[in-house]
Amino acid sequence: AQTVTQSQPEMSVQEAETVTLSCTYDTSESDYYLFWYKQPPSRQMILVIRQEAYKQQNATENRFSVNFQKAAKSFSLKISDSQLGDAAMYFCAYSAGGSNYKLTFGKGTLLTVNP
Amino acid sequence: DTGVSQDPRHKITKRGQNVTFRCDPISEHNRLYWYRQTLGQGPEFLTYFQNEAQLEKSRLLSDRFSAERPKGSFSTLEIQRTEQGDSAMYLCASSSPVGHTEAFFGQGTRLTVV
Repeated sequence: AQTVTQSQPEMSVQEAETVTLSCTYDTSESDYYLFWYKQPPSRQMILVIRQEAYKQQNATENRFSVNFQKAAKSFSLKISDSQLGDAAMYFCAYSAGGSNYKLTFGKGTLLTVNP
Repeated sequence: DTGVSQDPRHKITKRGQNVTFRCDPISEHNRLYWYRQTLGQGPEFLTYFQNEAQLEKSRLLSDRFSAERPKGSFSTLEIQRTEQGDSAMYLCASSSPVGHTEAFFGQGTRLTVV
């Protein structure tokens, strides 16, 4: 069974600084997808960034980028120029390839942004 | 389209009662998922529909839980004979029929069993 581990229950960062959230996963599949989702307080979960395992290039979305290390099964999220609106719970998630679309989530990391 | 809609947002029920939640996915999305999220945990997969067909159910889903998606549109999740351990946030998500695209989540239904 696939598992996703987020070892940092909480992180904090100063506004305008950079923070990295860690995620490791375990799978025997070669084809899979990795995601970072953001869940602000009392609001719905939204996708931050997505990575296909077959792509060597790390995904980037504006201030958000990932460091995908396939051999190490590591998928960290870097947030640059942190903003107050980045404060939220961040979940790392895994989806196997093929016709299985369900997501397996980690326990999450609560990010606080200090002004 | 305003996104994935869930109703009700909050539900308080007495132990032993039945409850039903509704999810309206984004209209062009044929895939629909239910997840359960307890405090301090990530969402856990419960079940998945493609159109009206329920293709996968988690072992977490006891026989007190049933989900339907008639006509491949909205979905309902029913919990019979609720227990205190059922207290959680129930999240619905939908995604388009093309590949492993983004899942769009609703705001969830928070269930409290007293």
